[in-house]
Amino acid sequence: DGGITQSPKYLFRKEGQNVTLSCEQNLNHDAMYWYRQDPGQGLRLIYYSQIVNDFQKGDIAEGYSVSREKKESFPLTVTSAQKNPTAFYLCASSTGQGVRSQHFGDGTRLSIL
Amino acid sequence: AQSVTQLGSHVSVSEGALVLLRCNYSSSVPPYLFWYVQYPNQGLQLLLKYTSAATLVKGINGFEAEFKKSETSFHLTKPSAHMSDAAEYFCAVSDPGAGDKLIFGTGTRLQVFP
Repeated sequence: DGGITQSPKYLFRKEGQNVTLSCEQNLNHDAMYWYRQDPGQGLRLIYYSQIVNDFQKGDIAEGYSVSREKKESFPLTVTSAQKNPTAFYLCASSTGQGVRSQHFGDGTRLSIL
Repeated sequence: AQSVTQLGSHVSVSEGALVLLRCNYSSSVPPYLFWYVQYPNQGLQLLLKYTSAATLVKGINGFEAEFKKSETSFHLTKPSAHMSDAAEYFCAVSDPGAGDKLIFGTGTRLQVFP
């Protein structure tokens, strides 16, 4: 079955450490997105990419970085510059054509040790 | 700029009762509107979407929503709640001018009591 795979499910970060969250899709979707979810705040967009080798900042990009070298993959790095990284991170993708409802992975929960 | 407001962060209903989750939007262009459901520690699943065709949209699991332009609303309803409906629900509007990114409301947690 086609879908979006996020790994790991749970991740722990030490102070001053960069960590990378994986997102892979086999839906042949052009566009991919990263969201951060905090209790009571809904989902906030970190970065998005409409095509390979191109991406744009979302509303809360500071302290994060991404790459889009392959259509299937859109990894997110949480850098040490992100002072409050504890959150639930969701990756999504969409077709890039027509009404682009997004499909979501099951998320990665990041915590600080 | 587009925005979404979900009235009520928590809604509680009895099993078998009507479910009504409220969503109001703000948009300068004809919007696309979405309802998503999220179960604990999972991603979001699309319930239904409005794409400027029929104003009454039917989705999965017996849910439906009606687009009312005059009220700028897109409320989600289900005639009879089931225990399995307990989850968090998000309303979202798309922004075609910015990569079709979704702008989400803050969510409504639905509790269903037996």
